[in-house]
Amino acid sequence: GAVVSQHPSWVICKSGTSVKIECRSLDFQATTMFWYRQFPKQSLMLMATSNEGSKATYEQGVEKDKFLINHASLTLSTLTVTSAHPEDSSFYICSARSVNEKLFFGSGTQLSVL
Amino acid sequence: SQQGEEDPQALSIQEGENATMNCSYKTSINNLQWYRQNSGRGLVHLILIRSNEREKHSGRLRVTLDTSKKSSSLLITASRAADTASYFCATDAGGGSEKLVFGKGMKLTVNP
Repeated sequence: GAVVSQHPSWVICKSGTSVKIECRSLDFQATTMFWYRQFPKQSLMLMATSNEGSKATYEQGVEKDKFLINHASLTLSTLTVTSAHPEDSSFYICSARSVNEKLFFGSGTQLSVL
Repeated sequence: SQQGEEDPQALSIQEGENATMNCSYKTSINNLQWYRQNSGRGLVHLILIRSNEREKHSGRLRVTLDTSKKSSSLLITASRAADTASYFCATDAGGGSEKLVFGKGMKLTVNP
């Protein structure tokens, strides 16, 4: 079946550094990818919708300069958390939409900012 | 308020028992989906039910949808310890939007 690879699965960084998270659709093309954030024991909150070749659409309250999204190809979207701070610590999950409109999720990235 | 709210928030049962989770939503939808998430992992799609469907089965899963009450239920029959996970319902945001709105999730623990 369709697989979405998300990397890294776990990252610890110092406050002020930037972290890049990759989301790849391995065996299908995804014109649309979504980035979610999930706090412990809470639901997924959509951060942004990423369309290949165009600017991402951010949800209200999500800083686009803080969370840079690049969707350069039909199989790759990246989320860069710039100048990360402890409050950015969270579980980030991407999903990719296939042509038959099914969503496939990555395995998530646990970000811990010290 | 948040669309797609599961009830109860946590459920603990014994292996072999059935588990029922309910989800309510507030706006019109095109479809409703249920996902499963193991701790610290991504989501796995379980089942999708369209707004014109009332019931759907997949293996040990049974989903119902009542659009008049804006609610859905997920029934897992003959539960197994491996079913222990968090379960989320998700609805499309409507209006042709591609976005999914997730509920708060329900933590199911199946004790062996």
